Amino acid sequence: GQQLNQSPQSMFIQEGEDVSMNCTSSSIFNTWLWYKQDPGEGPVLLIALYKAGELTSNGRLTAQFGITRKDSFLNISASIPSDVGIYFCAGQLYNQGGKLIFGQGTELSVKP
Amino acid sequence: NAGVTQTPKFQVLKTGQSMTLQCAQDMNHNSMYWYRQDPGMGLRLIYYSASEGTTDKGEVPNGYNVSRLNKREFSLRLESAAPSQTSVYFCASSVHLQETQYFGPGTRLLVL
Repeated sequence: GQQLNQSPQSMFIQEGEDVSMNCTSSSIFNTWLWYKQDPGEGPVLLIALYKAGELTSNGRLTAQFGITRKDSFLNISASIPSDVGIYFCAGQLYNQGGKLIFGQGTELSVKP
Repeated sequence: NAGVTQTPKFQVLKTGQSMTLQCAQDMNHNSMYWYRQDPGMGLRLIYYSASEGTTDKGEVPNGYNVSRLNKREFSLRLESAAPSQTSVYFCASSVHLQETQYFGPGTRLLVL
């Protein structure tokens, strides 16, 4: 089945630093989504990308839908302590009922 | 407007016991989903319901059954729990199959 490779698995950064994480796949996706999960909570949608090459921002977050439709990245600028959590990418396939394929997650720790 | 709600929040079962996880959404969404989340593996789709009255298998359906009780509610049943079903279970919903999915807070299940 389809798989997403998300990297890095974890990051330990200083407050104020920029962060970058990415997902790659051998499959083409129609939509790329980025979610954040806080401890003990469900994933919350951060950014949705619908077209190849699309670059979208949400505050300090910026994400891009790769030209090949097989990859996506998420950048966080000027990190703050509340950015701590697990970030998941997800690819969506329209020809499979909109099924989401999730990456393994990137656990972000921010040191004040 | 509570979004997606799940009950219970925590549950401990003995091997062989049965239980039903409840999910409800108040966003008038047509499609609903059940995922499980295991460490280092992201979320995997168990079952989904495109609309009221329909259900389909996802990536890991074995050992589970679902019921789309009405448009609001989608339950997940474990008939004979096994330790391998120890996980965090998330319910999600979307307007339609190819639309953005919104997640509930999760049910943490431990099977001894």
